[in-house]
Amino acid sequence: QLQLQESGPGLVKPSETLSLTCTVSGGSIRSSSYYWGWIRQPPGKGLEWIGSIYYSGSTYYNPSLKSQVTISVDTSKNQFSLKLSSVTAADTAVYYCARLHGNHYYFDYWGQGTLVTVSS
Amino acid sequence: QSALTQPPSASGSPGQSVTISCTGTSSDVGGYNYVSWYQHHPGKAPKLLIYEVSKRPSGVPDRFSGSKSGNTASLTVSGLQAEDEADYYCTSYAGSNTWVFGGGTKLTVL
Repeated sequence: QLQLQESGPGLVKPSETLSLTCTVSGGSIRSSSYYWGWIRQPPGKGLEWIGSIYYSGSTYYNPSLKSQVTISVDTSKNQFSLKLSSVTAADTAVYYCARLHGNHYYFDYWGQGTLVTVSS
Repeated sequence: QSALTQPPSASGSPGQSVTISCTGTSSDVGGYNYVSWYQHHPGKAPKLLIYEVSKRPSGVPDRFSGSKSGNTASLTVSGLQAEDEADYYCTSYAGSNTWVFGGGTKLTVL
C-alpha cells in the first residue's frame, strides 16, 4: 500500500523559507505514470494546488505562487520537497503531499497533512 | 486561475440524495473531462471519490456519482448515511499541467 508522509518544521518566521519533504513508501517515485504534488489548506479555507513534479524533475506551479515556490525530487531517497520563500501569515496552512495520476489526472494517494504556522 | 465555485454547505436527511455543484470556466471544468471529487474528514487525508467527471475508483460505493454540463460539474450522494458528513472538494485540470480546486462544501447529515 502506497503511503506518503510529510515532514518539516511546524513553525516558520515571516519572510523566511518554508521547507517540507514528502517521503513515499510502498512504491517508487520513479513510476512513469505518476506525478507528485503539493496541496495546501489555510485554516477555514479550501484546498489550493501548489505545484507538481515528475520524477525526471519537470515542475509545474500554480501561477499565483510561482514566484515563491520550488519543488524538487530526490529519487535516491524516494522523496520530493517543497520550498516556499518569503512566507507571510497567509501561508499558514495544512500542507499535503499527494500522488497525481499522469493520464487520468486525479490525486489518488495523499499524506495526512502537516500544519505549518507562520509566526514570529 | 480562480478557484472553482462550490456552495459552502449542503445538507440532507439519512436516505435522501444531495447534489453538490462545482462551477468553473471553459478553461477548466468546461474544457476538459478531468474533474475529480474528494471527501475530506477533518484531520484525515482527502479521499478520491470520482475521477474523469463520473468514474468511481474501486471501493467507492455507487451511492456517489458525478456528472458535468457545460462549465458545471456535480457530485450526487444518494442514500445519505451519517458517515457521509464531511467536506467535499472538486478539482479540475486547467491546462498546461495545472490544477484548480473548489472552495469546498460542508455536507451535513441531519
